[in-house]
Amino acid sequence: HVQLVESGGGLVKPGGSLRLSCAASGFTFSDYYMSWIRQAPGKGLEWVSYISSSGSSIYYADSVKGRFTISRDNAKNSLYLQMNRLRAEDSAVYYCVRDPSQVQDWPAWYFDNWGQGTLVTVSS
Amino acid sequence: QSALTQPASVSGSPGQSITISCTGTIRDLGGYNSVSWYQQHPGKAPKLIIYEVRNRPSGVSSRFSGSKSGNTASLTISGLQAEDEADYYCSSYRSTTPVVFGGGTKLTVL
Repeated sequence: HVQLVESGGGLVKPGGSLRLSCAASGFTFSDYYMSWIRQAPGKGLEWVSYISSSGSSIYYADSVKGRFTISRDNAKNSLYLQMNRLRAEDSAVYYCVRDPSQVQDWPAWYFDNWGQGTLVTVSS
Repeated sequence: QSALTQPASVSGSPGQSITISCTGTIRDLGGYNSVSWYQQHPGKAPKLIIYEVRNRPSGVSSRFSGSKSGNTASLTISGLQAEDEADYYCSSYRSTTPVVFGGGTKLTVL
C-alpha cells in the first residue's frame, strides 16, 4: 500500500523560507520519479518540480525556478522541497506525488499516487 | 490563465452521460499521448482516473473513459452517479514545461 505523507507546511512571512518533506512507504522509493504539485486555495493544480529516481534529472516550473530546490534521500525514502524567497502567490497546499514510470531517464508525466498535502501560507 | 482549457462547469442527471473537454495545442495535447485526468472531491487529494489518453488505473470504474482528437482531449462519464460530483482536471506533457494542467471542471450531479 503506497503512502506519501507530507510535512513541514506552515505560516511564513514573505521573503522567508520553508522546507517541505515527504515520507514514502509501501514501494521501492528509489525506483521512481517523484514530483511536487501545488494547489492555491480555491484554485486549480499547478505542477512545481520533478526529480528522477537517482536525483540526477530535475525540472522546475518557471514560477519557482531559482527559488525552490527539490531533492531526495533514497536511503531515507524521503522527498524534499526547499522553498526560499517565498511570495504570497506561493500560498497553497503542496502535494507529494509519484510518477509511475520505472523507465530510466523518462517519466510517465502523470501521477498515480498523491499524499494528502501540506498547507503553506505566505503572509505578513 | 491555465495552459489547457476546460469548461468551468458541467452538469448532468443521474444515469446520463457527460463529457468534459480539454483543449491545448500541438505543443502538448496535440503532439503527445501523455494526457491524464484526475478527480478531486472537496478537501481531498486528486485521484488519477485516466492516463495516456484512454487507460484506466486498476480500481477505476469503467464508466470513466478518455479520448483525444487533434488538440482536444475528452473525459466521458457514463451512467452518472451522485458520487461522481467532484472537480476534474486534465493534464498533459508539454515539451517546454513539462507538465501542464487544465483549470479544472466542476461536475454537478443534478
